Amino acid sequence: QITLEESGPTLVKPTQTLTLTCTFSGFSLTTPGVGVGWIRQPPTKTLEWLALIYWDDDKRYSPSLRSRLTVTKDTSKNQVVLTMTHMDPADTATYFCAHRHSVRGPPYFDYWGQGMLVTVSS
Amino acid sequence: DIQVSQSPSSLSASVGDRVTITCRASQSIANYVNWYQQKLGKAPRLLIYAASTLQGGVPSRFSGSGYGTDFTLTINSLQPEDFATYYCQQSYITENTPESFGQGTRVEIK
Repeated sequence: QITLEESGPTLVKPTQTLTLTCTFSGFSLTTPGVGVGWIRQPPTKTLEWLALIYWDDDKRYSPSLRSRLTVTKDTSKNQVVLTMTHMDPADTATYFCAHRHSVRGPPYFDYWGQGMLVTVSS
Repeated sequence: DIQVSQSPSSLSASVGDRVTITCRASQSIANYVNWYQQKLGKAPRLLIYAASTLQGGVPSRFSGSGYGTDFTLTINSLQPEDFATYYCQQSYITENTPESFGQGTRVEIK
């Protein structure tokens, strides 16, 4: 059974750096074709894809946020960490991590964490 | 970037109705489209991947079709638990092209 859970601060101040951790179970990030992605959703808005990290440490970022994002993995702890610098109130959103299936054919997110609301406010 | 345009933004339907939601990509993306259902306060749930493949455990009243730029999610015989928001996602990722989600379609009870 695959599960993922996001953790981190629920409130950050403008200009601060946000660090979110995705702790997962039921799969290994050393298995070919497996990845973990980060997606966010501002209140009442649609989903926005942020970043991906694959089993082979290949990383992909949203071009519009690339300069602010870093994603890393710790396979021994079954964790993926997302760092976002220079936080702004516009970054207030629910942040999700999700299991990426990309073994054959078009990739997709088949398991998601429950998400955590991060508010950016002074 | 590849843009996806989803329509309608909302619709009202009755239990038992057939509902169709469309997603159009700004360029051809083969079958790199997935569909998700999201209920209020919950994470998205994968319904359909690769445009037309039903995810395990998803009721067969859900179906997807399309290839290239035009895609459709159909819900046959709408059930009370289907009232939710639905999103398409294009997963045609390249070095400088991010994945993107549609704006969502809210399915409400008539």
